[in-house]
Formats: sequence, structure tokens, C-alpha cells
Amino acid sequence: KAGVTQTPRYLIKTRGQQVTLSCSPISGHRSVSWYQQTPGQGLQFLFEYFSETQRNKGNFPGRFSGRQFSNSRSEMNVSTLELGDSALYLCASRTVVGGSYEQYFGPGTRLTVT
Amino acid sequence: AQSVTQLGSHVSVSEGALVLLRCNYSSSVPPYLFWYVQYPNQGLQLLLKYTSAATLVKGINGFEAEFKKSETSFHLTKPSAHMSDAAEYFCAVSPTGNQFYFGTGTSLTVIP
Repeated sequence: KAGVTQTPRYLIKTRGQQVTLSCSPISGHRSVSWYQQTPGQGLQFLFEYFSETQRNKGNFPGRFSGRQFSNSRSEMNVSTLELGDSALYLCASRTVVGGSYEQYFGPGTRLTVT
Repeated sequence: AQSVTQLGSHVSVSEGALVLLRCNYSSSVPPYLFWYVQYPNQGLQLLLKYTSAATLVKGINGFEAEFKKSETSFHLTKPSAHMSDAAEYFCAVSPTGNQFYFGTGTSLTVIP
């Protein structure tokens, strides 16, 4: 099976612009979570989608939004970019293995805001 | 509230020496516990997980971790470090499986 894929891998944007990141989960996985990773804050949970519905949300401003499509692919959008939004954005798909959950991560999208 | 504490943001060991990365958690219910490894410019890769089946969990690449409920710890060990083990390691807790909480990571350096 192919792993979690994220596009694009690298992105450079200017303050005030918006950006859309894409994630394709492992085939058959219906849950997709997004994380922001920065050197100072580590991994912070953004939100989780399951069957096109947002099921959990982290403590991020409304500029961060997401959605999930019927094929489980997910997009994350950040509007009005700020310098502090520069980070590695990781997507993870989740499934049950041996009676417990496991998350599988994509390689991430490196967003740089200038 | 759930939280994960990884003691030591940077750990250095000599090649062939014991690797010990510390993780303590707080959880209101018996949790699922995980260790992930991240190599530069890559995503996180699952090393091992604890699901209450056994307190000593063996993972990939020779790593293992022991769940100690009384100490609320889930430390990661490897008997003999290899150069290829140099990476960032993250401990994570998931009380119910729906949401994962990560530690701030430990950067492991292996000295030849």
C-alpha cells in the first residue's frame, strides 16, 4: 500500500496570502489528522476529520481550516498568513491495528512565510 | 488533561552504548502510548506502541519500551546505538485513540 502523501512538499508564501495543503491518506483509512510542527512548540494538533466531518479541533485560530472529501483526501487552508505560520505541516491517517489505533504520517509540507 | 514530558531535549551517546530516552505521561485513563522517530525532512515513523497487552514492548530497529504504571513512564531503550539511530524521537499518548498528544521530542546524537 502507498503511504500518506502530501503535496506540495515545499511552499514559500508572503504574509497576507492564503495557502492550501493537500493530504491523501493510506487507502482505506478514513481518519485524517493535521499537525503543525515548529522548533519551539513541537507537534501541535490542528484538527481531525473522519468521514468528511471534523471530529476534533486543536487550539488554533479560525484562519486555519480544513475539509475532507468523500475519498478521504483532506485539504488544509490557512488564510491571511503570518510569519509565525512558518512550519512543517504534517498529515496523518489513522486506522485500527490489532485492536488499537495507529497513526501513519506523511512527509509533511514545509511552509515558509516571508 | 493529558500531557507528555520527555526529559532531555538532546541526548548524546557513543556508538555501541545504551540508548535511553525518557518519557512520562499523565492521563486520566489507561492510555495507548507510542514512540515515533523522525529523520531530517521526513514525517514521523512509528517505532512501537503500548496497548496494555504486555508491559515490555518491542519495536523496529532493535528498540523497546517498558510501560510502568506506578511511575507513569514509558522510556525507550536500545542496547547498542548505531549511527543510523541519530534522529528526533517523540513520545505520544492517546487516552482513547481519538486524539494524540506528543512530547516536545528528544534529539539523539550518536558519536562515532
